[in-house]
Amino acid sequence: AQSVTQPDIHITVSEGASLELRCNYSYGATPYLFWYVQSPGQGLQLLLKYFSGDTLVQGIKGFEAEFKRSQSSFNLRKPSVHWSDAAEYFCAVGAISMEYGNKLVFGAGTILRVKS
Amino acid sequence: SQTIHQWPATLVQPVGSPLSLECTVEGTSNPNLYWYRQAAGRGLQLLFYSVGIGQISSEVPQNLSASRPQDRQFILSSKKLLLSDSGFYLCAWKKGSGNTIYFGEGSWLTVV
Repeated sequence: AQSVTQPDIHITVSEGASLELRCNYSYGATPYLFWYVQSPGQGLQLLLKYFSGDTLVQGIKGFEAEFKRSQSSFNLRKPSVHWSDAAEYFCAVGAISMEYGNKLVFGAGTILRVKS
Repeated sequence: SQTIHQWPATLVQPVGSPLSLECTVEGTSNPNLYWYRQAAGRGLQLLFYSVGIGQISSEVPQNLSASRPQDRQFILSSKKLLLSDSGFYLCAWKKGSGNTIYFGEGSWLTVV
């Protein structure tokens, strides 16, 4: 079965600084990878996704992520963080197959705090 | 465009009372539907998913159940709530042939 690890529970960065949120996955085939963001008390919004092709994917709000097969990683980056980026971020791996029932498995999340 | 709605947004229920959370998707047909739960300080746990009317798969044994009476309607229920059922419940959908799952706004359940 697939699994996702987000090793950082909390991260604090200064506004304007760069950001990298780590995500490692375990899956026996080529994964479908996602990053979602959740503001307090709200649902999850899709930031970006990787299915195939170019390993550097661009998302909304200036985020990007890079798929590295050799490291089983899909880290999320942003060159300059804004105070409105403070939220919880979830990495997810999809097992889009009849065997796995088209499910997403999520990491535990990383809470991003932005200090001015 | 497709939209997903779930309600109620907030619910406070006593232990032992029943539960019904409803989710509907508009603008698509035959979606895959999902119920996730997010407990305080935890990630998201898949509870149920459905690939069609009347087809429900349960991921975690518990006192919750799900039903899909119509193509775009997904209901999460319980006959008797436990304190441990408190959490944030998220409905989600994807196109049957698609790879991306989209989430509703969530429902806060507090069992007291």
